[in-house]
Amino acid sequence: GAGVSQTPSNKVTEKGKYVELRCDPISGHTALYWYRQSLGQGPEFLIYFQGTGAADDSGLPNDRFFAVRPEGSVSTLKIQRTERGDSAVYLCASSLTPRDYGYTFGSGTRLTVV
Amino acid sequence: SQQGEEDPQALSIQEGENATMNCSYKTSINNLQWYRQNSGRGLVHLILIRSNEREKHSGRLRVTLDTSKKSSSLLITASRAADTASYFCATDWKPGGSYIPTFGRGTSLIVHP
Repeated sequence: GAGVSQTPSNKVTEKGKYVELRCDPISGHTALYWYRQSLGQGPEFLIYFQGTGAADDSGLPNDRFFAVRPEGSVSTLKIQRTERGDSAVYLCASSLTPRDYGYTFGSGTRLTVV
Repeated sequence: SQQGEEDPQALSIQEGENATMNCSYKTSINNLQWYRQNSGRGLVHLILIRSNEREKHSGRLRVTLDTSKKSSSLLITASRAADTASYFCATDWKPGGSYIPTFGRGTSLIVHP
């Protein structure tokens, strides 16, 4: 696609529920990143994929968070047993060659846990 | 902890004035990037400067990098109301060698018409 697409744009869920957030990167971009951004803060790194594999998942806050990228394109961030503290904007970015080019971000998914 | 920190946290200027934002970081980098964010949603890549570069221009944007001081600055000349946004610097430092952009808290810029 022309840009990074994230769906849904907004998600409201009840505490304790399971949610999935989807990211469709730019075609051909092998590097994919998930970030979480709280109000007034900068994006906080969650996980990085190179192709199908998670190259670095050190930013995932706990085992309720999991992400997959089974075919090396679309990625899904999964959050189990959501908590109110999970409320944030979840951003996805992709890149062709991380060292030489910038990263293209999607518009994010605003997750609200009530 | 965040690798890059922007300064000031907030900046308010009149249209036509120049806006300067600074970024300091802690460890060695391969490159440093500046992004703009409107209304707390997607970030837009503005400019990338490599560690062996000292200055880079793109339109009304000028970025400098001083690796000895571990700092960078973003200058927006002749600002417009449409430049109102949050601006973030990102360095690609990450333990283990992965190229993962790490962001600061950003500078909130308001340009008054």
